[in-house]
Amino acid sequence: QSVLTQPPSTSGTPGQRVTISCSGSSSNIGRYNVNWYQQIPGTAPKPLIYSDNQRPSGVPDRFSGSKSGTSASLAISGLQSEDESDYYCVAWDDSLNGYVFGTGTRVTVL
Amino acid sequence: EVQLVESGGGLVKPGGSLRLSCAASGFTFGSHSMNWVRQAPGKGLEWVSSISSTGTYKYYAESVKGRFTISRDTAKLYLQINSLRVEDTAVYYCVRSEYHSSGDWGVWGQGTTVIVSS
Repeated sequence: QSVLTQPPSTSGTPGQRVTISCSGSSSNIGRYNVNWYQQIPGTAPKPLIYSDNQRPSGVPDRFSGSKSGTSASLAISGLQSEDESDYYCVAWDDSLNGYVFGTGTRVTVL
Repeated sequence: EVQLVESGGGLVKPGGSLRLSCAASGFTFGSHSMNWVRQAPGKGLEWVSSISSTGTYKYYAESVKGRFTISRDTAKLYLQINSLRVEDTAVYYCVRSEYHSSGDWGVWGQGTTVIVSS
């Protein structure tokens, strides 16, 4: 089950900045790194951010991550049409002794 | 080229069993922890299980504990799934852990589909 809460959807026009929140607790985000994944429906997820705010090689610097306390955020600056995807956060959870995903956020480019 | 290729999915009746496989190539398989993540139709991602690089440590989601078994050999990852339920219907992804932090999954397979239906 999803223990991390994300907004179901968000949208923006090309060039805008959008942010996606990921709310957790002291047993997950408050203690462990948060990672973000992008998924175009029907395809495998792609890594976007690891260790709260690090981008893997090849990920545009339009994508940035941050964390404060028991919440994390993903920001997309200069929104582009190809950013239209589903986005998920994930972190380890001590109380479940396993990984927990966020509920997922669909980004629509208007 | 780094690659993960899953196989073994299919249509199975409730209560049945399947064994999923994931063939790794292009990297030193034994140096990475590995994982299974699934996605039910129209739903979000769900972590299923993880295994350490040596196979010593194994972790399972509560929803599959006691029914699923993760294992590995020198070049493949496996997921034995027993007592299948309708709610196990999903695309199952094989995923490679990176070294930076927990949950840092840098390589994903294309997925194999499991459908549980009578």
